[in-house]
Amino acid sequence: GESVGLHLPTLSVQEGDNSIINCAYSNSASDYFIWYKQESGKGPQFIIDIRSNMDKRQGQRVTVLLNKTVKHLSLQIAATQPGDSAVYFCAENQNFGNEKLTFGTGTRLTIIP
Amino acid sequence: NAGVTQTPKFQVLKTGQSMTLQCAQDMNHEYMSWYRQDPGMGLRLIHYSVGAGITDQGEVPNGYNVSRSTTEDFPLRLLSAAPSQTSVYFCASSYGSGSSNEQFFGPGTRLTVL
Repeated sequence: GESVGLHLPTLSVQEGDNSIINCAYSNSASDYFIWYKQESGKGPQFIIDIRSNMDKRQGQRVTVLLNKTVKHLSLQIAATQPGDSAVYFCAENQNFGNEKLTFGTGTRLTIIP
Repeated sequence: NAGVTQTPKFQVLKTGQSMTLQCAQDMNHEYMSWYRQDPGMGLRLIHYSVGAGITDQGEVPNGYNVSRSTTEDFPLRLLSAAPSQTSVYFCASSYGSGSSNEQFFGPGTRLTVL
C-alpha cells in the first residue's frame, strides 16, 4: 500500500546550526502535507503545512519544501535551539484536510549544546 | 480554552475487558480523530468524525467503536481488549476543510493490555 517514509531515523545537530529533516512519500495523489513535532510524553504539535500546488512555504524559523517530481518533502529548521529536540513526523492526505492523514515513522532530532 | 483533553492518562486492562477512552474538545471543531502510536512508529488512524452523528473508519478500526453524539465529545470504546491493543492513544480535533487545518492533539492515553 501507499506509505510515507523518512530517510533517517535520527539526526544530531549542533545548537545554532540549521537542520534538515527529509520525508519521502509514495502516493502521487497526495495533495496536502503536514509536519508535526512530538516532544517526549506529549501529543504531536502542528508545525507547518503545504499544499501540492506550492513548492515552498515558510513559517517562523521553519521552511517546508515540496518536490513533487521525486515525491520528497523536507523540513528546514533555522538556528536550532535545545527546545527543538523532539521527534518530527511528516503526514500526508489526498485532500486538503485532516480527516485521513497517513503519518511517517518519524525522525528524532537531537540538538547538541 | 482547555483544548483537547483525554482521560484517563494511564490504564491497565486484562485481556477481554472493555473500556472507553474519553476525548473532549472545547474549540467547536468539526473534525475529531483517534490515533494509536506504537513504539518506533508514526500515528495510525483508528476512526474519525467530520461532525456530530458522522463517523468513519480509518486505517486500523478493528476492535474499536466510536460515536459522536455531540460536537465536543468523541469517545473510543475497546470492546474486548487484546494485548495487540497495547499502545498510546491520541485524540485530535480540527476545523473542517476550507479553513485553518491545524490539528490539535490531546496528551494521550497510555494503555497496557495484559
